Amino acid sequence: DAGITQSPRHKVTETGTPVTLRCHQTENHRYMYWYRQDPGHGLRLIHYSYGVKDTDKGEVSDGYSVSRSKTEDFLLTLESATSSQTSVYFCATLAGEADTQYFGPGTRLTVL
Amino acid sequence: QQQVKQSPQSLIVQKGGISIINCAYENTAFDYFPWYQQFPGKGPALLIAIRPDVSEKKEGRFTISFNKSAKQFSLHIMDSQPGDSATYFCAASMDYGQNFVFGPGTRLSVLP
Repeated sequence: DAGITQSPRHKVTETGTPVTLRCHQTENHRYMYWYRQDPGHGLRLIHYSYGVKDTDKGEVSDGYSVSRSKTEDFLLTLESATSSQTSVYFCATLAGEADTQYFGPGTRLTVL
Repeated sequence: QQQVKQSPQSLIVQKGGISIINCAYENTAFDYFPWYQQFPGKGPALLIAIRPDVSEKKEGRFTISFNKSAKQFSLHIMDSQPGDSATYFCAASMDYGQNFVFGPGTRLSVLP
């Protein structure tokens, strides 16, 4: 699992509330990613980071922001959660020379 | 051009049979093609990967066949086992770490 933890693992929240998901890695990997997984869509990239304070948008970035103040932590924030953001969120890191992504265990978010 | 198409959406195979999952891509700049395996409640895990300079890669019961001219690649699982029952994702990437695209996934069920 490349030393990736995600917190919380499950969260239920209400529409309009802010939510922050945390990804923590212990392997000092430079690249980190946030994906959402929905039935029929596979994994869609939200944002990624290529270093401390260096981030870029992915395919489905609207409504999400990220921050990376330390190599080991990558935070995903939903400023005002909506029901369409109900999903399973995965964090990943990129390791080695072979473009191998390692995924965390996921966070199941339900927005009521 | 960034899309990766994957078929079938679901697959049922008898124990001992061969499971075949197909993927197709458009962007010829992709240079790395991994397959991920995901069990329920877990994050995806790298299964096997190939680069376009080879046409086939085999690891145990798992084989990737790659057809560069057709822009297609496939996963073959020989002697399929009930423990192989999972969702399989193909992916394509380029620009080391900055462009990953996943297929929508195939749910494989291997009957005992």
